[in-house]
This record gives sequence, C-alpha cells and structure tokens, in this order.
Amino acid sequence: AQSVTQLGSHVSVSEGALVLLRCNYSSSVPPYLFWYVQYPNQGLQLLLKYTSAATLVKGINGFEAEFKKSETSFHLTKPSAHMSDAAEYFCAVSHYSSASKIIFGSGTRLSIRP
Amino acid sequence: DAGVIQSPRHEVTEMGQEVTLRCKPISGHNSLFWYRQTMMRGLELLIYFNNNVPIDDSGMPEDRFSAKMPNASFSTLKIQPSEPRDSAVYFCASTMGLANTGELFFGEGSRLTVL
Repeated sequence: AQSVTQLGSHVSVSEGALVLLRCNYSSSVPPYLFWYVQYPNQGLQLLLKYTSAATLVKGINGFEAEFKKSETSFHLTKPSAHMSDAAEYFCAVSHYSSASKIIFGSGTRLSIRP
Repeated sequence: DAGVIQSPRHEVTEMGQEVTLRCKPISGHNSLFWYRQTMMRGLELLIYFNNNVPIDDSGMPEDRFSAKMPNASFSTLKIQPSEPRDSAVYFCASTMGLANTGELFFGEGSRLTVL
C-alpha cells in the first residue's frame, strides 16, 4: 500500500523567508509524487510532479521539490515566501501501475507573516 | 477555457433527504474523479471513471452513495438518504488519460451540510 505523511499540519514563516514543507512517502514500487496547492474556497491545482525523471523538480510560483529515495522524502521548498503563497499544500503519491489512484496526504497549511 | 464546473456550490439539507451533486468535466478529458474533503479524514477518493465507465468505486462509503456518468460531459454523485456525517466538501476532478502521470484539474467543490 502507498501513503504519504506530511509533517506539520501548520507552518508559519515570515515574508521573504525560506519555505520548507515536509513530505515522506511509503511505497513498495517506484513512486510518482506530486504537490498540489489549495487556495481558500477553491479546488486543488498542481504545483509540480515527479515521475521518475530528474530528481529535482521545478514547479509554478517558484516552488521546487527534490525526490530523495534514500530518505523516502519529497519536501517542497521556496527560497523566499510571498504573502500570496498562503494556502494549503498537499503531497500525493501514485505509481505506474495504479492508473489513476492518487493518494493525498493530510495537508499543511502555510501562513505568511508580514 | 472553462474549468471543471460543479453545482451546487453550497447545499444545506436535512438528514434523510436526497442530495445530488453535479459535475461537468473539462471538454476532451476522459477521466473523472469524485473526492470528499473533511477535516478529520482529509481528501478521500470516492470513485473514478474512465471513458464514462466506473473503474474503481472502492472509496464509496456505503450503499447510500452512488455515482453515474451518462456521457462524457456530465456526472452526478447522489447521497440517499443523507446523514450529518456526510457533511463535507465534495470535489470533482478531471484529466486526459491517466492521472498518475498527468495533472488533475479540480472544480471549486460543493460544500454539503446535512443537519
């Protein structure tokens, strides 16, 4: 079975500071990994995805994530936080044979302090 | 281009009533998903369709829930009878091909409150 664990349900950083949202996965087969963002009262939208190509993945809005097999991690980072980054972030996992079954983590709410 | 369209955006109903949520996927997408989001359980996949055929409904909570996709541009999720524990935000999402390598496009959700 596959799963993802997001460490920290709420993260608060100052504007301009580094953003680090943690995600660890569990999978018995090579995983596909995703980060989605949800702004208030909206659906989720894809930030970035890893599907067995480059381990450092760049996404929209300046976010990136690195796949580390040895650590079973796929943490999301952004060098400098903007107020507009305040949202809920979801890590998700799938794999090549699961077709369309994507398992989402519990989410991390990111707050930005002025 | 229009995104995934869901209706109603908000629904308040009483326990025992029938609830029907509707979804119009993005034109050309052939996979459609229904998710439920709650504080306690997070985002759960209820069912997904490929080319209008239900592929995996193992996430549907119980027989009170049913979903249909009569054509490529319309799907419904029905709860009959509804219970207070069904209160949640229900999302519809669509994609072209397989979601595990592509991108899921979500609607804005239908917030259901069962009193």
